[in-house]
Parts: sequence; structure tokens; C-alpha cells
Amino acid sequence: DIVLTQSPATLSVTPGESVSLSCRASQGISTSIHWYQQKSNESPRLLIKFASQSISGIPSRFSGSGSGTDFTLSINRVESEDFSVYYCQQSYSLPTFGAGTKLELK
Amino acid sequence: EVQLVESGGGLVQPGRSLKLSCAASGFTFSNYYMAWVRQAPKKGLEWVATISTSGSRTYYPDSVKGRFTISRDNAKSSLYLQMNSLKSEDTATYYCARHGFGLGGYYFDYWGQGVMVTVSS
Repeated sequence: DIVLTQSPATLSVTPGESVSLSCRASQGISTSIHWYQQKSNESPRLLIKFASQSISGIPSRFSGSGSGTDFTLSINRVESEDFSVYYCQQSYSLPTFGAGTKLELK
Repeated sequence: EVQLVESGGGLVQPGRSLKLSCAASGFTFSNYYMAWVRQAPKKGLEWVATISTSGSRTYYPDSVKGRFTISRDNAKSSLYLQMNSLKSEDTATYYCARHGFGLGGYYFDYWGQGVMVTVSS
């Protein structure tokens, strides 16, 4: 199985800051990585597909980058509604998810 | 509007069976691979099963292989998950999800609201 390691586990920020969340794969997976946001007591929502491709309806402050084993989800100027848990998922082989990064209010 | 509505969850004893259903609407169900993803309380996401458009191909992780069976009825736009020999570690919220697809594989582009399954005596 491909293991995805997300870091940090928790990130404390103030609104208006820009942040980067990391996802590292245990082997090269090209750009077969996708990012999800899960707000408290809600279902996950797709944010970014194939490392950097945008999704209709998702604010432009969310962007993704990376290839191979290292991937980044960036949020430009965090807003209050962005405080959630973020997961990465790989589709290079049978799907696996990272453990998540919790973005919390400092 | 894409809608996925799960049902069938509840409390079940270890070793018993349970069948989940997912009613899909707002898209041509028969054109999409579908999946189940679960989330144990306070834990992360775990993919549980995927089924092809016709139902001829199914995929599972080792954690549920041989115990869970995914199926679909394209005429009814419905997805199912038959869960047998349930264990306490199967306790989770189960999400029905639609697969999106690209050259780099499958992702999950729409999710249901989830249904809770509790395995306990």
C-alpha cells in the first residue's frame, strides 16, 4: 500500500495568514494526489484533483502543487470558514488517505 | 444537483450482518464508478470498496475483503454495501461517494451525508 504522511498534524493560524500543508507519499505517484476539506460534522469536500487542478465552486485561494512524492496544499489568506481538517488521497494504486491536518484558530 | 443519500445504519452485534443502501440522483448513475468510504469516530478516512459502472469489477482493501460486498442496481440508481462478520473496528460513519476519473486514477468528487454503523454487544 502507498502510505501518505501529512504534516503538520495541527496548524494554528490567524485569519489572513497564508499557509502550506504537506503530503508525502511513500513512493512516487506522479500527480495522482487529491485534496479534501472536512468541516466539523460534515462530509468531506473535494478541493483539488491531480495535485493542482482546480474544482468548480472552490475558492481560488486554495491551490495545490507537487509531483512524485511531495505535495502541497496552499491556502492564500486563510478565512474563518477554512478552519477544518484537510486530507490528501492518492489514486496511483488502490485509494489511501493521509491522516489529515487540522487547521485551527490560533 | 448530485445527491447521495445513505440509509440502513444502526447498532449491530459483533459477528452479525448489516446492509447499507445509497440512493443517487442528479446524474446518470450508470456512467460512474461508485464507492464506500468510512470514518471511525474521531479518526481519518478509509476507503472501503469500489464498483465499476456495470458492477462486474469490485475492489476492496484487505481490512474488509471477504467480509464486505459492494453491489449496485443501475435501474434503481442505487448502491449497496453488504457487511458480514462485523467487528467492533467496523464502527464508523459510512459515506457513499461518486468516483471522478482522470488519467491519474480515481478520486471522490461527491459524497453523501453518511450513515453511522455501531458494532457492539
